[in-house]
Amino acid sequence: DIVMSQSPDSLAVSLGERATINCRSSQSVFYSSNNKNYLAWYQQKPGQPPKLLIYWASTRESGVPDRFSGSGSGTDFTLTISSLQAEDVAVYYCQQYYSTPRTFGQGTKVEIK
Amino acid sequence: QVQLVESGGGVVQPGRSLTLSCAASGFTFSSSAMHWVRQAPGKGLEWVAVISSDGSNQNYADSVKGRFTISRDNSKNTFYLEMNSLRAEDTAMFYCARTRDCSNTNCYREFDVWGQGTMVTVSS
Repeated sequence: DIVMSQSPDSLAVSLGERATINCRSSQSVFYSSNNKNYLAWYQQKPGQPPKLLIYWASTRESGVPDRFSGSGSGTDFTLTISSLQAEDVAVYYCQQYYSTPRTFGQGTKVEIK
Repeated sequence: QVQLVESGGGVVQPGRSLTLSCAASGFTFSSSAMHWVRQAPGKGLEWVAVISSDGSNQNYADSVKGRFTISRDNSKNTFYLEMNSLRAEDTAMFYCARTRDCSNTNCYREFDVWGQGTMVTVSS
């Protein structure tokens, strides 16, 4: 199984400041035949289901604000919130869909400082 | 609109069984591979199972293999998770989710639609 590890477990950022979340996979999730990284990011607010933010490591889902961006390749990935808004308070998960089982990181809780 | 609605959760004693349902609407259900994902209270997300669009193929997490069975009825736009020999550690919110643009279990894409979840509590 591919193990996904996120850092930090939590972070507090001032409104308008940048938030950066890291995700590392225990093996590469890059598929060379189509040049894609099989990595997604989800946002989960309290009492709600997860919501897809980013797929293919860097493609923003329709309707997701452009302050959210994803980067990275192979085994190391980053989710960046360029200017934190109050509504961004949530837990963020990375997920690999390169192989079964599709595994998630442990989550990173983002709060307002 | 595209929607998934889970039902069937509740409180059940250890060792007993429970079946969850997920009703789909707003998209071509019979063309979509579907998943169950669970989340224990205060914990992270754990993938549970996937079923192909025609129901012919399934995969399970090791933690539920042999105890849980995923199935579907495309005539009802619904898929299911039959859970047997339930344990306290199965206590969780269970979400159903769709894989975007996928019909089979070995099609690897992100989960673009999620239900609101149904809570399962295993306790004596």
